Amino acid sequence: GQQLNQSPQSMFIQEGEDVSMNCTSSSIFNTWLWYKQDPGEGPVLLIALYKAGELTSNGRLTAQFGITRKDSFLNISASIPSDVGIYFCAGQLGETSGSRLTFGEGTQLTVNP
Amino acid sequence: SAVISQKPSRDICQRGTSLTIQCQVDSQVTMMFWYRQQPGQSLTLIATANQGSEATYESGFVIDKFPISRPNLTFSTLTVSNMSPEDSSIYLCSVASLYSSYEQYFGPGTRLTVT
Repeated sequence: GQQLNQSPQSMFIQEGEDVSMNCTSSSIFNTWLWYKQDPGEGPVLLIALYKAGELTSNGRLTAQFGITRKDSFLNISASIPSDVGIYFCAGQLGETSGSRLTFGEGTQLTVNP
Repeated sequence: SAVISQKPSRDICQRGTSLTIQCQVDSQVTMMFWYRQQPGQSLTLIATANQGSEATYESGFVIDKFPISRPNLTFSTLTVSNMSPEDSSIYLCSVASLYSSYEQYFGPGTRLTVT
């Protein structure tokens, strides 16, 4: 089956620093999604990417859909303490809507004030 | 995005018993999904639940262990049957967006501990 390799597994940074994390796959995906999960909560959708090469921003977050369709990255600029959480990438292969998502293993982000 | 609620939010159950988890959405959605998140792990899809048809299960998950109902377009249940400690996980429902059904939105999850 499809597998997503997400890195790094964890990051410890100072407030104000920029953060970058990425996902790679052995298979092509047609959609990439990035989620954030806080303790005790469900994942919250941050950014959705639909086209190879697409670069999309949401406030301090920027994500890109890799040109090969096998990778994606997420950048967070000027990190703040509330950025703490687990970030997951998810890929969707299906040609039809609502197809299954394959999730990466997550990146645990810690921001020191 | 849709507002999704789950009941119960958490439970502690004895092995051998069953628990039914409810997922309620504030708007009609075509596709609902059930995921499992084991402690410290990522999310794994259990099954896709479409109204009016049998749920479609992923490899490694069977209907006898995880029966699902989808009686209408705003509600679904997942039952965890004959539980063992290995079933201790967070169970999450999600729905495909009304406006872009490639996007999925998640409920808050049900935290299950089996003793």
